[in-house]
This record gives sequence, C-alpha cells and structure tokens, in this order.
Amino acid sequence: EVQLVESGGGLVQPGGSLRLSCTASGFALSNYWMSWVRQAPGKGLELVANINQHGSPTYFVDSVKGRFTISRDDAKNSLNLQMNSLRAEDTAVYYCARDVRPGPTLYWFDPWGQGALVTVSS
Amino acid sequence: DIQVTQSPSSVSASVGDRVTITCRASQSMSSFLNWYQQRPGKAPKLLIYAASNLQSGAPSRFSGSGSGTDFTLTINSLQPEDFATYYCQHLYTFGQGTKLEIK
Repeated sequence: EVQLVESGGGLVQPGGSLRLSCTASGFALSNYWMSWVRQAPGKGLELVANINQHGSPTYFVDSVKGRFTISRDDAKNSLNLQMNSLRAEDTAVYYCARDVRPGPTLYWFDPWGQGALVTVSS
Repeated sequence: DIQVTQSPSSVSASVGDRVTITCRASQSMSSFLNWYQQRPGKAPKLLIYAASNLQSGAPSRFSGSGSGTDFTLTINSLQPEDFATYYCQHLYTFGQGTKLEIK
C-alpha cells in the first residue's frame, strides 16, 4: 500500500526551528516529485515547497523563501522540511504529498500524508 | 500567474440532491484542473484529475467537466459522507474551497 506518514510537528516559539519528516512506504520517493502543502487553522490549502525526482528543490512559496529548506533522504525513503525563523503565521497542519506528473503543466497530488500540526506561539 | 476562483464558498444541500461546484481561471488552463475532497480533520483526497478523470476508488456519483477557463465538479445523489470541503487545483494554486453542508 502506498502511504505517507509525517512526523516532527509540535509547539515552537517564534523565531525557533522545527524539522518535519515524511516517510514513504509502498514506493520509492526518489522516483517522484514530492511536495509539502500546509493548511492554517480554518483556512485553505497552500503549496509550501516541492522537490524534483533528482533531489533538487524547485519551488518555495514567497512567504517561506530563505527560511525553509526541503530535502530528501533516499536511504530512509523520507522527505524533510527544515523550518527556521518560524513565525506565528506559519502555524498550520503540514501535509506531504506525492506529485503525479504526466507532463510539465499537468500534475496532481496523490496520496497525502495524515498531516503534522505545527504551532508557533510563545 | 493564473488566478483560480472557486464558487460558491459554501453550499447547503440534502441527501439525494445534486450539487455543482465551479472553478474559474483568469486564463486558459487547458484541461489541467484537479479536484480534492477534504473531510473534517482529515487530509485531502484526490477525486478528479485532468478535469474529468475519476480517481480510482472515487464513487461514480462524482464527475468533472470543463476546459479552458471554466470547470465544474458535480456530485449526483449526495450521500452523508460527501459533506466535506472541496478544492480545485491547477499547478501551484488551489482554489479557496467550497464547504458542502447538510441542509
């Protein structure tokens, strides 16, 4: 069964750091683009960052540029999101998702992990 | 960047009803539009990809249509488990979401 499981969420003070991980089973992460999507409380979905199958980050939403990094650990079949200089507005559930990309301008996210809650508060 | 506007933001309906949700783009998206369902407290799930293709495992009462700038998600014969929030997505952009509530 194809599955994604996030870990590493929690409560952190403004300015602090947190590292999320997403472990895949049923497929090799290294064969796919992967993404992090977040959802602030009561709000919609926002793509945060993605990484291509070669392990190169390709996108960061403007609000996290310079603060978040995305990486992959192929040995552990896991995806990571390192979040530094966290702000209250980064509070959200963070989902990892596999990109399905039949073409450069057509892709969708499937499956999704269950999500990890990140709360930035003093 | 293409802007995506989803409507309505919320809709009330009864079990057995038919509901239509729309996504409109600021410029043509060809058929590159996907739909997700998110139940409360759960992760989103892919329903429809490339405008009209039903994801494996999704019930056949869900259907998608459209191309260019106007797309529609239709749910026929609403079931209790369909009351959720629905999002469209094109490239890096998600629609604002439509909350489907029980009347």
